[in-house]
Amino acid sequence: SQQGEEDPQALSIQEGENATMNCSYKTSINNLQWYRQNSGRGLVHLILIRSNEREKHSGRLRVTLDTSKKSSSLLITASRAADTASYFCAKGSGSRLTFGEGTQLTVNP
Amino acid sequence: NAGVTQTPKFQVLKTGQSMTLQCAQDMNHEYMSWYRQDPGMGLRLIHYSVGAGITDQGEVPNGYNVSRSTTEDFPLRLLSAAPSQTSVYFCASSYGGYQETQYFGPGTRLLVL
Repeated sequence: SQQGEEDPQALSIQEGENATMNCSYKTSINNLQWYRQNSGRGLVHLILIRSNEREKHSGRLRVTLDTSKKSSSLLITASRAADTASYFCAKGSGSRLTFGEGTQLTVNP
Repeated sequence: NAGVTQTPKFQVLKTGQSMTLQCAQDMNHEYMSWYRQDPGMGLRLIHYSVGAGITDQGEVPNGYNVSRSTTEDFPLRLLSAAPSQTSVYFCASSYGGYQETQYFGPGTRLLVL
């Protein structure tokens, strides 16, 4: 079963705009991770937020976590064409991650 | 460091054939995992290992075997390929313990006819 569910499934924006993706999950977590996948490539880790954190930043990325609502969001500010990719949230730890179906982000130049 | 490497990059099999997908990492990671990704989907865990000699099943283990004789290598064996196993296979590794980040290989595209 998919423990992370991303929303929207697809998002198309113009370069310079912000992109927000959401992730919901069903059971309690210790942490939640976000990964990016460029077309035809493996996944690349972006950011990890722990259950006792509410917000985390990394460059143009901002992740929030609301454990009461069992949801997380990923904000990419000032988007670039190179941000075009699929974005996945993942729950779990160690060698066992459970991924959602992802959000396909397209940033138009 | 090469990171996580996978071979082959692409493979075509006939139904019933067997093959081994290779995965190696040079980061001295304890944890390694195999996932499959079907079109438009997220990744699903096939098998995982928390150290040499220790393996366990993930969400979709049927039709696949693994072994972990060394820290570096974690091969995935398809016993008798079926069209339903057509997918992209990703190997990943991580330090384990408090270090949760997984590092992914480039993937192997498998087509079963």
